[in-house]
Amino acid sequence: QKEVEQNSGPLSVPEGAIASLNCTYSDRGSQSFFWYRQYSGKSPELIMFIYSNGDKEDGRFTAQLNKASQYVSLLIRDSQPSDSATYLCAVNPSNDYKLSFGAGTTVTVRA
Amino acid sequence: EPEVTQTPSHQVTQMGQEVILRCVPISNHLYFYWYRQILGQKVEFLVSFYNNEISEKSEIFDDQFSVERPDGSNFTLKIRSTKLEDSAMYFCASSPGGGQPQHFGDGTRLSIL
Repeated sequence: QKEVEQNSGPLSVPEGAIASLNCTYSDRGSQSFFWYRQYSGKSPELIMFIYSNGDKEDGRFTAQLNKASQYVSLLIRDSQPSDSATYLCAVNPSNDYKLSFGAGTTVTVRA
Repeated sequence: EPEVTQTPSHQVTQMGQEVILRCVPISNHLYFYWYRQILGQKVEFLVSFYNNEISEKSEIFDDQFSVERPDGSNFTLKIRSTKLEDSAMYFCASSPGGGQPQHFGDGTRLSIL
């Protein structure tokens, strides 16, 4: 069983729409959850982190965590062409500080 | 804003040679990491380093690999006797504490010929 799973996409949304990305994880004891954005050929860039159940908003981004369902999501509101990238879900497994990454969801925002 | 810096940006090496990848973590961070990403694949954890010792390593991080913090600022990854399959992007990351957000450098693209 993969530790962190994401829909690979591609996810295509029109400019101004909401992009919704999903991620599930296998380790029920995981405590820390992160979303990174990765442009092609570039390094992962941290955009959101969440530790507690519920929603966390930062500008146009909202992270949602449901530990009971082992599910974390990212919403991008008012999507812009510059949001076109691969979004990586990353999780700290229990008793562990390494990041386990999903394979990423590629998002394309159509102008 | 402080950032993690990595050198070189691109390294080309013959198979069997040794390479050293260099990183300067963010100055007040205590945890340091190396990850790699083979082209088209996901980011994979290699090793974490805290308090001048390895705190965890993956199955990938075998005897071919070593890490060192030779002074108060640099953090290095050495790969001895490189193989073709070592070709990848290698990312250094650092975090203030365990479980806290990790910030990544721009990476070193390692090409083994």
